[in-house]
Amino acid sequence: DAGVTQSPTHLIKTRGQQVTLRCSPISGHKSVSWYQQVLGQGPQFIFQYYEKEERGRGNFPDRFSARQFPNYSSELNVNALLLGDSALYLCASTLTQGSGKLFFGSGTQLSVL
Amino acid sequence: AQSVSQHNHHVILSEAASLELGCNYSYGGTVNLFWYVQYPGQHLQLLLKYFSGDPLVKGIKGFEAEFIKSKFSFNLRKPSVQWSDTAEYFCAVNARVTGGGNKLTFGTGTQLKVEL
Repeated sequence: DAGVTQSPTHLIKTRGQQVTLRCSPISGHKSVSWYQQVLGQGPQFIFQYYEKEERGRGNFPDRFSARQFPNYSSELNVNALLLGDSALYLCASTLTQGSGKLFFGSGTQLSVL
Repeated sequence: AQSVSQHNHHVILSEAASLELGCNYSYGGTVNLFWYVQYPGQHLQLLLKYFSGDPLVKGIKGFEAEFIKSKFSFNLRKPSVQWSDTAEYFCAVNARVTGGGNKLTFGTGTQLKVEL
């Protein structure tokens, strides 16, 4: 079975631009979560989606948004990029919204110049 | 708000040495605790988890962790480490969020290097 896949793997943007990151969950998983991991820190929760609805949001500004599609894949959008948005963005999927057993993708490394 | 503290940021051990990585958490609800591991070049993956019952939980590759409620701790242990255990280890607590979902709150991680 394919694991969680994310695209692109690396991305370079400049300040003020917008970016869209994509995630495909493990087949059968209905919940997708997004995490931001800054170098030297643990992953920080951004969003959880389950059955195409937002089920949780972390302490991130409104520049961050996401959605989940009928096939359970998901996109994370970040507008008006700041230097501080440079990080590894991780997507994780689970069978249900309540499970802490997350299956992570390899992430998208975003660099904002 | 929940939080997780990992006391050791970098640990270097020789093969066959014993390992104990500290983790303390702060959370007012029912606790679900996890250790995740990230091997070099690989994605983050679950090592072991505690939901309820026996406070000593066993995970993959000979790892175990003990939940001590009175100390708010969930330390990770392995009696004899191998070179292949070189990785970054993250402790995490699961918490409910507004909207009905769940989130993991991670510690800052411990980078373990095992030398031959």
